Amino acid sequence: AQSVAQPEDQVNVAEGNPLTVKCTYSVSGNPYLFWYVQYPNRGLQFLLKYITGDNLVKGSYGFEAEFNKSQTSFHLKKPSALVSDSALYFCAVNTYSGGGADGLTFGKGTHLIIQP
Amino acid sequence: NAGVTQTPKFQVLKTGQSMTLQCAQDMNHEYMSWYRQDPGMGLRLIHYSVGAGITDQGEVPNGYNVSRSTTEDFPLRLLSAAPSQTSVYFCASKDVAGTEAFFGQGTRLTVV
Repeated sequence: AQSVAQPEDQVNVAEGNPLTVKCTYSVSGNPYLFWYVQYPNRGLQFLLKYITGDNLVKGSYGFEAEFNKSQTSFHLKKPSALVSDSALYFCAVNTYSGGGADGLTFGKGTHLIIQP
Repeated sequence: NAGVTQTPKFQVLKTGQSMTLQCAQDMNHEYMSWYRQDPGMGLRLIHYSVGAGITDQGEVPNGYNVSRSTTEDFPLRLLSAAPSQTSVYFCASKDVAGTEAFFGQGTRLTVV
């Protein structure tokens, strides 16, 4: 079974400082990794994904994430935080074995609060 | 440019009532799925479908039924609502394996 851990319920960062939201995963096959963001009373918006290739992936709104296979991690980063980045962030994993099984496994989410 | 559309946005049910949450997508995606979001638990997969006529159970399927008669629609049925089904429900679709899912705006369901 696949699983995702987001060890921090909340991350507080001052505006302009770099931010990191942590994610580790456990899968039996090759992982497809995703980050989504949820603003209050809204659906989830896709930020970025890792499928294969370069371990550093860049996504929307200046976010990036680094895939580390040995540490089974996929941390979300941004060099300079904005107050508008404040939201709930979800890490998710999927594996594809070719058997038709599908569905994302999500972490519990991390509230990111950017302080002016 | 509708994407994934869920109806209704809000619903209050009495225990034992039945209802159907609607989900439609206009992107011709093969994969569709239903999740529920509960505080501190992230999103959990209820049911999913890899194409018309094919459905399967996710992590928390009990109390829910689905069908996929067309590529566009993937309704979620609650046969006899229980307070434990109070949650926010999200429908999602995606093209093929390895691609990102697109989510609807959610349905907030309260069972009293």
